Amino acid sequence: DAGITQSPRHKVTETGTPVTLRCHQTENHRYMYWYRQDPGHGLRLIHYSYGVKDTDKGEVSDGYSVSRSKTEDFLLTLESATSSQTSVYFCAISEAGPIADTQYFGPGTRLTVL
Amino acid sequence: GDSVTQMEGPVTLSEEACLTINCTYTATGYPSLFWYVQYPGEGLQLLLKATKADDKGSNKGFEATYRKETTSFHLEKGSVQVSDSAVYFCAYSNFGNEKLTFGTGTRLTIIP
Repeated sequence: DAGITQSPRHKVTETGTPVTLRCHQTENHRYMYWYRQDPGHGLRLIHYSYGVKDTDKGEVSDGYSVSRSKTEDFLLTLESATSSQTSVYFCAISEAGPIADTQYFGPGTRLTVL
Repeated sequence: GDSVTQMEGPVTLSEEACLTINCTYTATGYPSLFWYVQYPGEGLQLLLKATKADDKGSNKGFEATYRKETTSFHLEKGSVQVSDSAVYFCAYSNFGNEKLTFGTGTRLTIIP
């Protein structure tokens, strides 16, 4: 299994509070991704990174920010959580883009915003 | 815009039945196509892929053929097992694009 961990695995928070989710890899892969999974929508890309300090937006980036100060860590921050951000969040990594290399997924973080 | 559309579920089959999960795409250029699988309580993992027309991806008894004329990449298996119960996602990526775009997923349940 690819060395990907996500923390926390479960979190319940209240509307308006800041939340940070962490993705940590031990594979030294260049690319890291954050997705959210919702019924009826499949997986949707929030943000991704193609190197340290290099990030770009995905299709559902509003309300989220990311940071990557080290190769191994990719943080997803909800500055002020809303109920619409209740979801399961997955991190993924790959050495190259998706055509050239497989994306490996972490175990997920279940976030509930009350 | 570019997208993939896959068969809505849930799909319930008996063990040893034949499986087809439909996936069609609309994309400019020449996308690569993927099937990912998510077992209960886990993240997604790549099942198979095809990077050009007429390519066939295969793994664990599953197959899918990239058919440009019908813009399809249907997932097939001749005899399913209870252990195949999972959610299956079709996905694509265009050349030069660093992102995957996923379909909505199809939940498959196999009953003994």
